[in-house]
Amino acid sequence: GAVVSQHPSWVICKSGTSVKIECRSLDFQATTMFWYRQFPKQSLMLMATSNEGSKATYEQGVEKDKFLINHASLTLSTLTVTSAHPEDSSFYICSARERTGFYEQYFGPGTRLTVT
Amino acid sequence: KNQVEQSPQSLIILEGKNCTLQCNYTVSPFSNLRWYKQDTGRGPVSLTIMTFSENTKSNGRYTATLDADTKQSSLHITASQLSDSASYICVVRGFSGNTPLVFGKGTRLSVIA
Repeated sequence: GAVVSQHPSWVICKSGTSVKIECRSLDFQATTMFWYRQFPKQSLMLMATSNEGSKATYEQGVEKDKFLINHASLTLSTLTVTSAHPEDSSFYICSARERTGFYEQYFGPGTRLTVT
Repeated sequence: KNQVEQSPQSLIILEGKNCTLQCNYTVSPFSNLRWYKQDTGRGPVSLTIMTFSENTKSNGRYTATLDADTKQSSLHITASQLSDSASYICVVRGFSGNTPLVFGKGTRLSVIA
């Protein structure tokens, strides 16, 4: 099946710094990629939807200036958490949707962000 | 409002036993329903995908059922194994291919020896 990778798988950073998370679709092209955040024992919460070559669409309550999303190609999207704070510590999961067919959506393995 | 409700919230069963997880949804119009398994600290992995015309679909020891009339689905796990311990998430997609997925909160299953 299709594979979505994320890098890094975990990261620890100091408060005030920025962190970039990469999401790649390894064997298919994804016009649309999604970024989710998941807190402990909670379900996935959609943060934003990004379409290749255009600006991301953010869900209500998600600060676009804090969570910068770039979808530069059909296989790569990045999420940058700017000026991170401890409350940004969470599990970030990306998902990529196929361009054609069933519009199947595949999830990455997630990135654990800890801000100290 | 499109919603997906799962029950129970958590479940503990003995290894080797069977269990059934429930999912009720209000998403309409409806395209497909998916069950995902999410291990702690990992991304969700698809178990089954069912369209509105399908009633049952199996994947090994996992069997999903769907009643599109009552908007209910279930995931049955037979002969549970310790490795089945995970969160099981029911996810529904609306009719349009561009419709965002609607996630349930998941059922946390613990299989104990």
